[in-house]
Amino acid sequence: RKEVEQDPGPFNVPEGATVAFNCTYSNSASQSFFWYRQDCRKEPKLLMSVYSSGNEDGRFTAQLNRASQYISLLIRDSKLSDSATYLCVVKGVANSGYALNFGKGTSLLVTP
Amino acid sequence: ETGVTQTPRHLVMGMTNKKSLKCEQHLGHNAMYWYKQSAKKPLELMFVYNFKEQTENNSVPSRFSPECPNSSHLFLHLHTLQPEDSALYLCASSQESSGANTGELFFGEGSRLTVL
Repeated sequence: RKEVEQDPGPFNVPEGATVAFNCTYSNSASQSFFWYRQDCRKEPKLLMSVYSSGNEDGRFTAQLNRASQYISLLIRDSKLSDSATYLCVVKGVANSGYALNFGKGTSLLVTP
Repeated sequence: ETGVTQTPRHLVMGMTNKKSLKCEQHLGHNAMYWYKQSAKKPLELMFVYNFKEQTENNSVPSRFSPECPNSSHLFLHLHTLQPEDSALYLCASSQESSGANTGELFFGEGSRLTVL
């Protein structure tokens, strides 16, 4: 079983739409969770951390359900510039503590 | 301009060649990483260095050999690679403190490797 699983998409949505991505992780002892964004032919960049209580950053809302080992990212009022691949990232407890496990990513295309 | 620079950006090599990828971070971080990104696959962690010491080697074949001469520089030496090693190799750095990890890795733009 893969450590971090995401629906690869692509998700094609019109501008202004709300879109949600989901991610599941296999290691119940995982402690830290993040969403990264990767633009085409660019490097990944941290979008936001995910906290148990849920957290919001502008149009972006991230939530964590530890019982279901499930992470989500909600994007409201989508912009063309939101088009990218969104990577779900989980800090692996089995590792040294300094490395992260990445999902394959979910591709989003926002259209005019 | 990214705080993590990688060279070369593109590399084509034969299976018998020896080449090296270079990474330099200008962020004052104390941990550096090599990741491999192949099409349709998640980023795969290859090596982790913390304070110049290798803390993780994620079952990477010996044809990949990392070197970390100081906390700002990281190399990946390549020899007798296979065509399936063709991928984007991403270097990253982070600031670690007593195991605390904000989760923020700063990536370079990557070195795209093609093995013929």
